[in-house]
Amino acid sequence: GAVVSQHPSWVICKSGTSVKIECRSLDFQATTMFWYRQFPKQSLMLMATSNEGSKATYEQGVEKDKFLINHASLTLSTLTVTSAHPEDSSFYICSARVTRDYEQYFGPGTRLTVT
Amino acid sequence: GQNIDQPTEMTATEGAIVQINCTYQTSGFNGLFWYQQHAGEAPTFLSYNVLDGLEEKGRFSSFLSRSKGYSYLLLKELQMKDSASYLCAPVDSNYQLIWGAGTKLIIKP
Repeated sequence: GAVVSQHPSWVICKSGTSVKIECRSLDFQATTMFWYRQFPKQSLMLMATSNEGSKATYEQGVEKDKFLINHASLTLSTLTVTSAHPEDSSFYICSARVTRDYEQYFGPGTRLTVT
Repeated sequence: GQNIDQPTEMTATEGAIVQINCTYQTSGFNGLFWYQQHAGEAPTFLSYNVLDGLEEKGRFSSFLSRSKGYSYLLLKELQMKDSASYLCAPVDSNYQLIWGAGTKLIIKP
């Protein structure tokens, strides 16, 4: 149990375009989902926390107008990288948490390359 | 502030035992997770400690001392597939996981 999927696994896009990444909890309802970014050989960096039905809470330094997060249901959250630039190229990972459980269940990640 | 301290890299031999230490400072404390992350993949859960002491789970064991702000992950009978990064992540008073940079473990034959 506790499986989280992400789609797509990898994506290449041109600079200036937008990319949407989906995160789904397949066999449980996730009241909270997290979006992380990880650059090579660096630690996970929390970008934002989203609770179902409410606006996401962004970490300091993360542009909310650039990284649009929608958590429309208890099983789906989306991250849209708008007007992507090469410096946005990174490994984006989502995780989901059940209210009573501190553990975060991670999706497999999405590797974004902006050319 | 909140801080996690782990060695950047460790090397061990296949079949041996290795201990990865983690010291932490957080605003409040609600337990500590260890995750394993292979290169290019997302983290996977290894253990969760909320009380002091040693938790054993197969070849992996995790220890916690809350008064010392200290935890370690012990890996026995190392296998080549154990080559990965190991992330220590304490949970703060807001129930958020605080992530360090992790320890890259290299296993040699």
